[in-house]
Order: sequence, then structure tokens, then C-alpha cells
Amino acid sequence: ILNVEQSPQSLHVQEGDSTNFTCSFPSSNFYALHWYRWETAKSPEALFVMTLNGDEKKKGRISATLNTKEGYSYLYIKGSQPEDSATYLCASCTGQTGANNLFFGTGTRLTVIP
Amino acid sequence: DGGITQSPKYLFRKEGQNVTLSCEQNLNHDAMYWYRQDPGQGLRLIYYSQIVNDFQKGDIAEGYSVSREKKESFPLTVTSAQKNPTAFYLCASSMVGGSDEQYFGPGTRLTVT
Repeated sequence: ILNVEQSPQSLHVQEGDSTNFTCSFPSSNFYALHWYRWETAKSPEALFVMTLNGDEKKKGRISATLNTKEGYSYLYIKGSQPEDSATYLCASCTGQTGANNLFFGTGTRLTVIP
Repeated sequence: DGGITQSPKYLFRKEGQNVTLSCEQNLNHDAMYWYRQDPGQGLRLIYYSQIVNDFQKGDIAEGYSVSREKKESFPLTVTSAQKNPTAFYLCASSMVGGSDEQYFGPGTRLTVT
């Protein structure tokens, strides 16, 4: 079992603030890093899957970076909105076949205060 | 609409009873998964299947069983041997590769008393 850590555990920001949080994972045997957004009463939804060191992906106001050498990924939200309130999960995949080697962190719960 | 359905949303059972959680997908995905979530912990893999009629144990398979008779369906049975079955259960599916995102169902909250 891989130790994937996310920080902070929870976060409250004001509407309009930008924020970021961290996912740390062992850099050995790395294959891919997944980010998911999980809104209350809904299913987790994929935000990004990144594989290359230095990779940066963007979806609207949300972006993510990846450093596979040091084993971390940052998720950034620019100009947070109340609809961004959710738990953000990261998961590290250690193999080409994702079936049994995707390990999830405990998530960062973001609350955006209007 | 393509997606994953899980039923029921809430399930209550008495201790000692087996219970089966349903998971169906119409995304034509080969791989399906069952995860369990407990407070303060990340999603933990119970079982996974990469192809029909084949499945493998995940990290916490003890007390659970699955079947994969059809590509679309991957039911999970929580048996009486599972020591602490009360939890939130998520089903997911994906293409088989490690860089393929997983698609999740809405989950089933099981309470055993």
C-alpha cells in the first residue's frame, strides 16, 4: 500500500480568493497522478490525470502541476467560487495497469465562503 | 446517459446477514472496482476486475466477494465474515490503463447493526 498524503486536511477561503493544496506521493515506481473532485452527495469526478514530470494541466480556473522527481503535485484554484466547495482527492498510480495500483490520499475538503 | 449506477443509496442490515450491493455501468469499460471509505481514510480498494469472469483481491478483500458475469455489472457481497462492514462503498469503472481516469458511481452507505 502506497502512502499518499494530502494537505491541508481542510480549508476555508473567502469567495474570490485563490488557493492551493498539495499531494505528496513516493516518487519511486511512479506512473500517473490523478486528481478528483468530490462534491457532497455526488460522485467523485476526474479533474486531471498527469504522467510527465513538469506537466501542468488546466481546466477553467483550476490547474495542477506535477513533480515526479520529488513526489508532489499542487492543485490551484484561482478566484474560488462557492461551487468549488468539495473534497479534492489525489491518487498515485504505480503501474501501467491502473487496476490494483491506484492509491488515494484522504483528500482536502475545501469550503468557499460567499 | 452514460454512467455508473449503484443501488441502493442507503442499506441497513442486521449483523450476521449477507448483503449484496449493485453496480452497473454502460460506459463499455473493461475494468471495474469496489472501494470502501471510512472516516479519515482514503478510498481503499476491495476488489477489482479487468475483464469478464476474472477479478482480483484488493487491499481489504477479507469478508467480501464479487462476481463479474457481465461486462456491465460488478456486484459486491458483504458477508457476515466482514468484521466492520458499516461504511460507504463506491463502485468505479475505467479503461484498463493506469493513466485512464476512473468514473465513480454515487455510492451506497451500508449500516450494519
